Amino acid sequence: DVKVTQSSRYLVKRTGEKVFLECVQDMDHENMFWYRQDPGLGLRLIYFSYDVKMKEKGDIPEGYSVSREKKERFSLILESASTNQTSMYLCASRTQGVGNQPQHFGDGTRLSIL
Amino acid sequence: AQKITQTQPGMFVQEKEAVTLDCTYDTSDQSYGLFWYKQPSSGEMIFLIYQGSYDEQNATEGRYSLNFQKARKSANLVISASQLGDSAMYFCAMRGPSGGSYIPTFGRGTSLIVHP
Repeated sequence: DVKVTQSSRYLVKRTGEKVFLECVQDMDHENMFWYRQDPGLGLRLIYFSYDVKMKEKGDIPEGYSVSREKKERFSLILESASTNQTSMYLCASRTQGVGNQPQHFGDGTRLSIL
Repeated sequence: AQKITQTQPGMFVQEKEAVTLDCTYDTSDQSYGLFWYKQPSSGEMIFLIYQGSYDEQNATEGRYSLNFQKARKSANLVISASQLGDSAMYFCAMRGPSGGSYIPTFGRGTSLIVHP
């Protein structure tokens, strides 16, 4: 069965820390996504990767960076965490180039920045 | 630019009754697709149903059906015979154009509560 695993369900960090959120998929998917979810705002795309070492900015990339050194792993990095980055973060993957295929999501990471 | 609108922040339904969750969209593309996802309180997003713009029949998956009205640009989710386990957030999403790697756009979601 398809599996997207996010490294932490809950994470508490301090302002100014560098924070790493890890995501691993076991489906050999080319595409991977990082979203941020806030109440009333739905899912907002932070970054998208369409293949290894390839990335595109989404709607809200400011304050974030990503790394994709291997096909199965997509990391989201908060360079210097701030309280307004407290949120739910969702990782997703999908096969490339087939528009009717859904995304597969991880369980999410609830990140609190104190 | 594509846009998805879910106008119902919250919905209530009695167990065993049917409920319709609204989704309208805006796109200039001729070829597009619409997805519905369910997000229980535990957080994971679960794919429910997909409708392609050229599909002539409304999509159905068990108790889920998609009321697709192309001229009105609406793709409402219908859940028949609601169950307590249907209580969750529901998101409508539209896949982007092929030139944009099909990156989807999500609505803001509707919170559904099923009463016993």
